[in-house]
Amino acid sequence: NAGVMQNPRHLVRRRGQEARLRCSPMKGHSHVYWYRQLPEEGLKFMVYLQKENIIDESGMPKERFSAEFPKEGPSILRIQQVVRGDSAAYFCASSREVNTEAFFGQGTRLTVV
Amino acid sequence: KNQVEQSPQSLIILEGKNCTLQCNYTVSPFSNLRWYKQDTGRGPVSLTIMTFSENTKSNGRYTATLDADTKQSSLHITASQLSDSASYICVVSALNGGATNKLIFGTGTLLAIQP
Repeated sequence: NAGVMQNPRHLVRRRGQEARLRCSPMKGHSHVYWYRQLPEEGLKFMVYLQKENIIDESGMPKERFSAEFPKEGPSILRIQQVVRGDSAAYFCASSREVNTEAFFGQGTRLTVV
Repeated sequence: KNQVEQSPQSLIILEGKNCTLQCNYTVSPFSNLRWYKQDTGRGPVSLTIMTFSENTKSNGRYTATLDADTKQSSLHITASQLSDSASYICVVSALNGGATNKLIFGTGTLLAIQP
């Protein structure tokens, strides 16, 4: 049973380009959470999704950021027109039920140049 | 405001020694409290998870305590090893409207074990 898989592990984008981060949850997990970790800071909640539904997006910037978790395939965090301040590590976690243990992926490190 | 505060911010101890990390939280309504270990450049890995009714939980050399009245938790590491060098993160789960939960992360304690 593979763990939470995130790809790519490292992503470099020029300012103004789009970044797509993918997260495949653990088998049997239908709850996905995205977090952002800025250098020297703790993880900050961005968005919580179940299959095909966004449950809580209170931590996600209103502009340029979007997330989806389709019926088939991985969850996608999409950042349009990236800026230098978007450079961070983006972690995805999944859980089987809402209050069960969440398992984290290894993260995607986004660098905007 | 839901917050999780950890202390100390960083800690250096000699290999073989014990240490205790602290976590204070102001999260309501409380669902559970978790301790994670995050190695540099990797995702957090769960050490323990405790609900309101649990006072202590162990995982090998790691023992977590929870006082739900004072809203404090501690993580005690016994007989530290070099591989314990990592960031230890206290995470409190808040019930969010009853149907969902949200994980509130502390900023972590950076632990360094010296040989």
